[in-house]
Amino acid sequence: GQQVMQIPQYQHVQEGEDFTTYCNSSTTLSNIQWYKQRPGGHPVFLIQLVKSGEVKKQKRLTFQFGEAKKNSSLHITATQTTDVGTYFCTLPGDSWGKLQFGAGTQVVVTP
Amino acid sequence: KAGVTQTPRYLIKTRGQQVTLSCSPISGHRSVSWYQQTPGQGLQFLFEYFSETQRNKGNFPGRFSGRQFSNSRSEMNVSTLELGDSALYLCASSNGPANEQFFGPGTRLTVL
Repeated sequence: GQQVMQIPQYQHVQEGEDFTTYCNSSTTLSNIQWYKQRPGGHPVFLIQLVKSGEVKKQKRLTFQFGEAKKNSSLHITATQTTDVGTYFCTLPGDSWGKLQFGAGTQVVVTP
Repeated sequence: KAGVTQTPRYLIKTRGQQVTLSCSPISGHRSVSWYQQTPGQGLQFLFEYFSETQRNKGNFPGRFSGRQFSNSRSEMNVSTLELGDSALYLCASSNGPANEQFFGPGTRLTVL
């Protein structure tokens, strides 16, 4: 079956710095979704990427889908304490409600 | 629009007991999925229900089961609880293929 790897698993960032987290799949994807889970919270949908090479921005967050549709990245600029949490990429399954989650990148921000 | 609700939020059980968790999806959402989240294994898919039918199942033992009612509300049951079943159980609903999933707050199950 398909496998997903997310790196890094842990990211310690100084407030104001930029960082990037990466998601790599063993297979070509129809789409990829990103979720954020705050400490003590539940996953919340951020974005879905569908097209090869697609780039989407949400304020300080930039999401990219690779040309081969096998990898994706999330870049955060000028990190703020509100960015704390775990960011997951998810691969689609063979039905609506089945998502395969990556291990996530846990982000800690120091002021 | 009300979000996904899960009850109870916290539960403490002992080994060998069984437990039932409940999930009410967003109104109009017909797909309800369940996930188990643990520090060691991360977020793992348990099963998905759609129009009262189990449409997909993850790699969990038969002690884990679920069902969906005609109003789309769903329950999951874990029988003969083991210590390793301690986890956050998340329910999510969606209303279309490749659409985002809306997660509930989860039920934190502790097995002693």
